Amino acid sequence: GAVVSQHPSRVICKSGTSVKIECRSLDFQATTMFWYRQFPKQSLMLMATSNEGSKATYEQGVEKDKFLINHASLTLSTLTVTSAHPEDSSFYICSARVERGAREQYFGPGTRLTVT
Amino acid sequence: RKEVEQDPGPFNVPEGATVAFNCTYSNSASQSFFWYRQDCRKEPKLLMSVYSSGNEDGRFTAQLNRASQYISLLIRDSKLSDSATYLCVVILTDSWGKLQFGAGTQVVVTP
Repeated sequence: GAVVSQHPSRVICKSGTSVKIECRSLDFQATTMFWYRQFPKQSLMLMATSNEGSKATYEQGVEKDKFLINHASLTLSTLTVTSAHPEDSSFYICSARVERGAREQYFGPGTRLTVT
Repeated sequence: RKEVEQDPGPFNVPEGATVAFNCTYSNSASQSFFWYRQDCRKEPKLLMSVYSSGNEDGRFTAQLNRASQYISLLIRDSKLSDSATYLCVVILTDSWGKLQFGAGTQVVVTP
């Protein structure tokens, strides 16, 4: 089956610093990757949709200058949380879709970010 | 109003019993429906797609009611390993495949 990895799995950083999270599709090429955020006991909230080679599309309320997304290749997308604050502490999950018409998405294991 | 709503539970189920729960969606243009399973602090994993005619996968049965805009999941002969949060997921027709998640229904199977 399709495998998506994320790195790091857990990160603790100080307020004001930036953190980069990588999402890789290991055994397939992902035309589209999605970034989600999940707060405790809440649903996954889509942050942005990232297509290889083009700018990400951000959901309403998500600051694109704060959450920088790069999808430079068909197997790698990165999310950089810039100038992180404690309220950015959350579980960040990426998912990947093989092709445009595919309904299924494959999820990475998630990255737990704690900002102190 | 949330796009996808679920009873958060928890549903406490004795091992071997049957449990069922629903999920309602607000957008009638919703096209595709899924149940995902999420274990604590883990990523969601696809449990099953939900088809218009209803479908079964082992002990799991999913139903779709478009008229009333809800989907359901029934688990028969519950196992301890079924303890998890079950996420209802919907894709809108024109959403470029964006998944809309419910907040999940927690199921706790007890010995």
